Amino acid sequence: GENVEQHPSTLSVQEGDSAVIKCTYSDSASNYFPWYKQELGKGPQLIIDIRSNVGEKKDQRIAVTLNKTAKHFSLHITETQPEDSAVYFCAASPSNDYKLSFGAGTTVTVRA
Amino acid sequence: DAGVIQSPRHEVTEMGQEVTLRCKPISGHDYLFWYRQTMMRGLELLIYFNNNVPIDDSGMPEDRFSAKMPNASFSTLKIQPSEPRDSAVYFCASLPSNGELFFGEGSRLTVL
Repeated sequence: GENVEQHPSTLSVQEGDSAVIKCTYSDSASNYFPWYKQELGKGPQLIIDIRSNVGEKKDQRIAVTLNKTAKHFSLHITETQPEDSAVYFCAASPSNDYKLSFGAGTTVTVRA
Repeated sequence: DAGVIQSPRHEVTEMGQEVTLRCKPISGHDYLFWYRQTMMRGLELLIYFNNNVPIDDSGMPEDRFSAKMPNASFSTLKIQPSEPRDSAVYFCASLPSNGELFFGEGSRLTVL
């Protein structure tokens, strides 16, 4: 089955700086890569996703890049704000399978 | 729509007792998922349904766990008998075909 590894496990950044989280996956059949944000006491919420037919996708301060050859993908948050503090999860799945495999999560703390 | 609704939000029970967690998916969503979240194992998929039919229950840890979806608007996850190692946050999530996965706010289970 798919194995997703996520690094770092914790990340502390100064407000206004950028944050980068990296994930690798094992199954070459995976072609859907979503990112979720989980705030304390809440369920994960989709913030951005990318499919294997594109290498990069942006949505305001958030961007995701994908390198299928190397089997890794990354989340970039620019101009971080205190409300970006949360746990972020990457995930992967094949297009014909709705089973997402999640990374272990990254706790991001934005220092004011 | 109110989103995915789970109950109870918190449950504390004693070892050996039966636990029933409930979920109301978003109306119109064809897929329903049950996940378990722990510090040690992260987010694990337990089972998912398509149009009320269980598709993959390979993540259900033991026979003590069972899940049902009697209709499109209701699902239960039952643990009988419960054990301390079942303590976790259990999430229900629903998904429309070719859409975004929406999580509920979770049910935090503590088995003493």
